[in-house]
Amino acid sequence: EAGVAQSPRYKIIEKRQSVAFWCNPISGHATLYWYQQILGQGPKLLIQFQNNGVVDDSQLPKDRFSAERLKGVDSTLKIQPAKLEDSAVYLCASSFGPRDTQYFGPGTRLTVL
Amino acid sequence: GESVGLHLPTLSVQEGDNSIINCAYSNSASDYFIWYKQESGKGPQFIIDIRSNMDKRQGQRVTVLLNKTVKHLSLQIAATQPGDSAVYFCAEGGGADGLTFGKGTHLIIQP
Repeated sequence: EAGVAQSPRYKIIEKRQSVAFWCNPISGHATLYWYQQILGQGPKLLIQFQNNGVVDDSQLPKDRFSAERLKGVDSTLKIQPAKLEDSAVYLCASSFGPRDTQYFGPGTRLTVL
Repeated sequence: GESVGLHLPTLSVQEGDNSIINCAYSNSASDYFIWYKQESGKGPQFIIDIRSNMDKRQGQRVTVLLNKTVKHLSLQIAATQPGDSAVYFCAEGGGADGLTFGKGTHLIIQP
């Protein structure tokens, strides 16, 4: 079974620029998550989708971050404008349902200069 | 602050020995606990999980122990191999939410 796919794997931008990340979950997984992992720390949940609806976005900095999952499959996470402190690895995970095992993609490493 | 944490940032073990990685959690409402392994440049990889109605669960070379009385979780790796070198995270979940991760323990294998 194919795993969670993410692209790009690496991105370098300057502060105040915009960036978007893409995630394709495991086939059949209704629940999709975006996590932010700052160097040396564990992943922190940003947003959780159930199909195409948002379940939890309480930790998403909504003034600059947005995410969507329009057709309930692929998802995009956008940052506009980026700040230096947004430098991190952005991980996408999916699960069959909200209480099932979460499987992670390889992540996108973002560097903001 | 973190609701899930690990006691040691780095653990060094001899190849072939058993490894024990510990984790403390503070949310009594959590009913699902997971161990992930993260190698450099990769996403977290699922190792083993345990529900709060269990005290112990075994997998291939790994065992997870849950002590709800003291809110403590441990991961035991038998006969540690060089390929086990990674950062290990415990994570907790409750309800239908995302996971809360601790800071991680870096397991170093000495030849």
